[in-house]
Amino acid sequence: AQKVTQAQTEISVVEKEDVTLDCVYETRDTTYYLFWYKQPPSGELVFLIRRNSFDEQNEISGRYSWNFQKSTSSFNFTITASQVVDSAVYFCALSEALGAAGNKLTFGGGTRVLVKP
Amino acid sequence: KAGVTQTPRYLIKTRGQQVTLSCSPISGHRSVSWYQQTPGQGLQFLFEYFSETQRNKGNFPGRFSGRQFSNSRSEMNVSTLELGDSALYLCASSSAGTGGGSPLHFGNGTRLTVT
Repeated sequence: AQKVTQAQTEISVVEKEDVTLDCVYETRDTTYYLFWYKQPPSGELVFLIRRNSFDEQNEISGRYSWNFQKSTSSFNFTITASQVVDSAVYFCALSEALGAAGNKLTFGGGTRVLVKP
Repeated sequence: KAGVTQTPRYLIKTRGQQVTLSCSPISGHRSVSWYQQTPGQGLQFLFEYFSETQRNKGNFPGRFSGRQFSNSRSEMNVSTLELGDSALYLCASSSAGTGGGSPLHFGNGTRLTVT
């Protein structure tokens, strides 16, 4: 069975501080995908990034960066120089990649980030 | 391109009633998934439809059902509502064919309150 763990339930920072969100996953599949989603107060889950299990290259997109380490089954997310607009709940998710599994995502419990001005 | 549209945004129902939620996917997307979000259980997968066929189903009782129409629009139905069904129900669409990995694009959700 697949499992995603986000140990941090809530993180509070002051604007311009960096914040790192941890994500640890479990799967028996050798091919899989990892995702990060952002959920602002409006409720909609916004897709941020997808990584497949064969691509361990770190990625940077503006103030966001992701560190994928297959050896430790982790896919961590860092917001650099946080802003108030980054306040939201962030979810890490995992899906199988092959067969008729379709698009079933297993989500972590989410980390609420509060950025204070 | 219009995003995923869910209607209604809010619903209040009484225990024992049934409810139907609607979802219009992004144009061209043939896969529609439904998720339930509660404070206690988090985000849980309900089911996925692709080309009018249920492709995958989560661990929910038979009171939860869904369908997809030829235009890819989807509905989910919950019969004999229980207090524990109170949740945010999220619909997502994707362009994926077989296999997983395509990003899901979510709607704003329908918040269901059962009294």
